[in-house]
Amino acid sequence: DAGVIQSPRHEVTEMGQEVTLRCKPISGHDYLFWYRQTMMRGLELLIYFNNNVPIDDSGMPEDRFSAKMPNASFSTLKIQPSEPRDSAVYFCASSLGQGIANEKLFFGSGTQLSVL
Amino acid sequence: GDSVTQMEGPVTLSEEAFLTINCTYTATGYPSLFWYVQYPGEGLQLLLKATKADDKGSNKGFEATYRKETTSFHLEKGSVQVSDSAVYFCALSDHGGATNKLIFGTGTLLAVQP
Repeated sequence: DAGVIQSPRHEVTEMGQEVTLRCKPISGHDYLFWYRQTMMRGLELLIYFNNNVPIDDSGMPEDRFSAKMPNASFSTLKIQPSEPRDSAVYFCASSLGQGIANEKLFFGSGTQLSVL
Repeated sequence: GDSVTQMEGPVTLSEEAFLTINCTYTATGYPSLFWYVQYPGEGLQLLLKATKADDKGSNKGFEATYRKETTSFHLEKGSVQVSDSAVYFCALSDHGGATNKLIFGTGTLLAVQP
C-alpha cells in the first residue's frame, strides 16, 4: 500500500484566496483525521471522520475552514478565504478502526501551506 | 480535558550519548500512551506504545514505561545516533471518544551531532 497520500506537498497562496488540501487514506481504513502543525501550538486535531461521516469538528478554527469526505478514498480540507495565520503544515492521517489494536495512526507527508 | 506535556527542546546531544525526553500526561481514564517520531520533511510515524500501567514499549533501541503513579511516559535511548535526529511527540488516546483519537504534546526536537 502506498500509505496516506496528500496533495499538494506545498501550497503558496495570497491572502483571501481559496485553498483546497486533498487526502487519500489507506484503503480499508475507517477513520480519517486532519491535523494542523504550527510552531506555536504544535499538532492540533481539526476534525475526524468515521466511515465518511464527520464525528468531531470541534478543533476547526472557524467557519473559514470546512472538510468533506465524499467517499472512503478521498477527503478535502478547504480554507476560504485564507489568511496569513493559516500558514502551517496540514497532516492527514488514517486508522483502521477503534479498539486498542487499532489505535495506530498512519500519517501522510503533509501539505506545507504558506499564505502571503 | 486530557493533555500531554513534553519537555521543550531542542535537545542537542553528541553521538552515543544517553537520551531522555520527559513526557507527563493528564487523563480522566486509563489511556494508551504513544511516542511518534517525525523525520525532516515527513509525516509522523509510530515509534512505540504502551496500553496499560507498567507496560514498557520499545522499538529501535528506544524505550518508555507507562508510569501511572507519576503519570509519565518518558522516552529513553542508551546511545543515540545521528540518524535519530528528528522531532519526537508524546501522545495519548482519548478514551472519552474514539480510542484512536490522539492528543499530542508539542513535540521535542532532538539534534544529534557526530
